[in-house]
Amino acid sequence: GENVEQHPSTLSVQEGDSAVIKCTYSDSASNYFPWYKQELGKRPQLIIDIRSNVGEKKDQRIAVTLNKTAKHFSLHITETQPEDSAVYFCAASTGSNYKLTFGKGTLLTVNP
Amino acid sequence: ETGVTQSPTHLIKTRGQQVTLRCSSQSGHNTVSWYQQALGQGPQFIFQYYREEENGRGNFPPRFSGLQFPNYSSELNVNALELDDSALYLCASSSGVSNTEAFFGQGTRLTVV
Repeated sequence: GENVEQHPSTLSVQEGDSAVIKCTYSDSASNYFPWYKQELGKRPQLIIDIRSNVGEKKDQRIAVTLNKTAKHFSLHITETQPEDSAVYFCAASTGSNYKLTFGKGTLLTVNP
Repeated sequence: ETGVTQSPTHLIKTRGQQVTLRCSSQSGHNTVSWYQQALGQGPQFIFQYYREEENGRGNFPPRFSGLQFPNYSSELNVNALELDDSALYLCASSSGVSNTEAFFGQGTRLTVV
């Protein structure tokens, strides 16, 4: 089955800096890669996603890149703000909402 | 704010007992997936229901079972509870089984003592 590795497990940045979180996946059939943000005690919320026919997608301060050949994808957050502090999960799937396989998460702390 | 609601929000059970968790999907959604999230880990797929039928299962034993009702709400049942079943249980609803976003509920925190 699919295996998703996520790095780093913790990331601390200064406000205004950029943050990058990287994930690798094992199943070449995976074609959907969402990123979720989970604040303490709250539900995971989709922040951005990318499909395998696209190499990069951007939404304001957040961008995701996908390298299908290397089977890795990354989340980039620019101009970080304290409210970006949360746990971020990457996931992979063969369909948007079917059997998402999640990474173990990255705790991002943005220091004011 | 999503329309996916779960009940109860917290639950404490004794090892060996049985538990039922409930999920009301967002209006118009006919697919519900259940995930188990252990402390400090990512959610793990348990199973998915589409139009009242199981549509895929993760690596969980048969004592984890589910139901989906005609109104597309869903239940997760766990028999013979073990200490390792202590986790946050999340359900996610969506319309169809592919190419649409899954919206998560707030979860049920289950503690087995």
